[in-house]
Amino acid sequence: KAGVTQTPRYLIKTRGQQVTLSCSPISGHRSVSWYQQTPGQGLQFLFEYFSETQRNKGNFPGRFSGRQFSNSRSEMNVSTLELGDSALYLCASSLTGHLYQETQYFGPGTRLLVL
Amino acid sequence: GQNIDQPTEMTATEGAIVQINCTYQTSGFNGLFWYQQHAGEAPTFLSYNVLDGLEEKGRFSSFLSRSKGYSYLLLKELQMKDSASYLCAVNNAGNMLTFGGGTRLMVKP
Repeated sequence: KAGVTQTPRYLIKTRGQQVTLSCSPISGHRSVSWYQQTPGQGLQFLFEYFSETQRNKGNFPGRFSGRQFSNSRSEMNVSTLELGDSALYLCASSLTGHLYQETQYFGPGTRLLVL
Repeated sequence: GQNIDQPTEMTATEGAIVQINCTYQTSGFNGLFWYQQHAGEAPTFLSYNVLDGLEEKGRFSSFLSRSKGYSYLLLKELQMKDSASYLCAVNNAGNMLTFGGGTRLMVKP
């Protein structure tokens, strides 16, 4: 079974631009979560989608948004990029997200550099 | 608020045993996860605890005390490939994980 895939793997943007990152979950998984990882802040939860609906949201500004499609694939968008948005963006999928003991499986991440 | 603390760095010798501690204070608790992350790679699942006690899985064991807000990951018979960051994460609401800063473990020959 293929794992979580994320595209692109690397991205360079300039301040003020916007970016869209894509995540395909493990086949059969319906919950997709997004995390931002930086050296200073560690791994921080952005949001979680299930059945095309955002179910949970972390403490990030409205410039960060996402969506999920009917096939469970998810995209996240960052508008008006700032230097501080440079980070590794990780996507994780789990089966339903309803059971608290479900394991989240992470993709390889998209490394974003904002210049 | 949410607070999860782990040591920033640890060093151990190949073949030895190392214990990585994690203390947490969160508004809710639905279980605690340990992940391993090699440099430049995605975190991979190691263990999950929701009840007090020890969970053993090969060379890796994880312990939880809910009353103390404390967990540890025990790695036995250390190998060079165990050099990585170890992330403690609490599921405190729905499917939302709150992570500690991670512990970078260096295994030396």
